[in-house]
Amino acid sequence: DGGITQSPKYLFRKEGQNVTLSCEQNLNHDAMYWYRQDPGQGLRLIYYSQIVNDFQKGDIAEGYSVSREKKESFPLTVTSAQKNPTAFYLCASSVVRRLNTEAFFGQGTRLTVV
Amino acid sequence: QQQVKQSPQSLIVQKGGISIINCAYENTAFDYFPWYQQFPGKGPALLIAIRPDVSEKKEGRFTISFNKSAKQFSLHIMDSQPGDSATYFCAAPRASKIIFGSGTRLSIRP
Repeated sequence: DGGITQSPKYLFRKEGQNVTLSCEQNLNHDAMYWYRQDPGQGLRLIYYSQIVNDFQKGDIAEGYSVSREKKESFPLTVTSAQKNPTAFYLCASSVVRRLNTEAFFGQGTRLTVV
Repeated sequence: QQQVKQSPQSLIVQKGGISIINCAYENTAFDYFPWYQQFPGKGPALLIAIRPDVSEKKEGRFTISFNKSAKQFSLHIMDSQPGDSATYFCAAPRASKIIFGSGTRLSIRP
């Protein structure tokens, strides 16, 4: 089955800890994205990548880091610098083309600071 | 730097009624206008999309209307059903990234 797999589904973090959220896709997509969703809120772009070993900051990149060492993988690290990390995190991928760019989403990781 | 403005934030519609969600965009370079549907605890999924060379696209009970001069596009759900209760997002994708609207939480009353 082709798709995007995010893990874990639920994650608890103590204050001051870094945690890494996994995102893997087998759709052969070049572009991958990380979004943050707060309760009742929209999707805010954290980071995105169009090609291996290259990525760009989105609208709310502070306190987060990413890597893109493989086409299939785009892990997100929530660092201790992120002061309010409790949220629902969504990873997505798409082909890179000018028209008809559909995003395919994973099932999300719900991160809670305890 | 919001490029896509969505309204309303929440919407309650009686079963069988018409649900209407609107989206306004700022950048004329956008050339593909999708709507995504998200159920609680799940990731969004593409529902329906339109290109700017047509004014309307219909798929079953879902219709997108596009007004290029007003820079607006809207989602109409005919004969709304309880199973349509979800959060809906418009989006403005470009080659490098995809920007989403703030979302509309739709509740269909039985």
